[in-house]
Amino acid sequence: NAGVTQTPKFQVLKTGQSMTLQCAQDMNHEYMSWYRQDPGMGLRLIHYSVGAGITDQGEVPNGYNVSRSTTEDFPLRLLSAAPSQTSVYFCASGDRQETQYFGPGTRLLVL
Amino acid sequence: QQQVKQSPQSLIVQKGGISIINCAYENTAFDYFPWYQQFPGKGPALLIAIRPDVSEKKEGRFTISFNKSAKQFSLHIMDSQPGDSATYFCAASMRFNAGKSTFGDGTTLTVKP
Repeated sequence: NAGVTQTPKFQVLKTGQSMTLQCAQDMNHEYMSWYRQDPGMGLRLIHYSVGAGITDQGEVPNGYNVSRSTTEDFPLRLLSAAPSQTSVYFCASGDRQETQYFGPGTRLLVL
Repeated sequence: QQQVKQSPQSLIVQKGGISIINCAYENTAFDYFPWYQQFPGKGPALLIAIRPDVSEKKEGRFTISFNKSAKQFSLHIMDSQPGDSATYFCAASMRFNAGKSTFGDGTTLTVKP
């Protein structure tokens, strides 16, 4: 089992560019989530999904889109990158036992 | 409104000492309270978790104490080791909805040899 994988590990974008952060899990988990981690602010929920075809907004959804066409994949799209989106992004998956398993993160720098 | 408040922001403990990190929550609908450990450059990993039907849970050197009436819970690390140096996050979520967790701001623990 690879667990939760995220690509890329690191990305530099210019303001206004778009990109997709990839997340995949091979544990057949129903729940998947995206968080951003900023210094001194813990992890904040961006979007989450309780199953294929079902997504909902978290605490800080503006500027991000998600879709969940399969159980395994949960990509996060930045529509028009802004410097405020410079952060470390973590994807997580979990089952009804409620343990969340986190990926290694994507470090994003927006210039 | 921050729903989960964590303190202290940083903590320095001598090897062999006890590390204590505290969290307080607002939403009484929360019923799952995990602690995550994060090493630099890595994603958070579940350390230990508790439900409000018990007041304490112990796993090895790690113990969660839970006070439902005060809406507070804490992590105790006994016999702290340099390898415990990491950032610790408390979190809270509602039943069967851990994918929508609310996290504290984190505590950076340094254990001095």
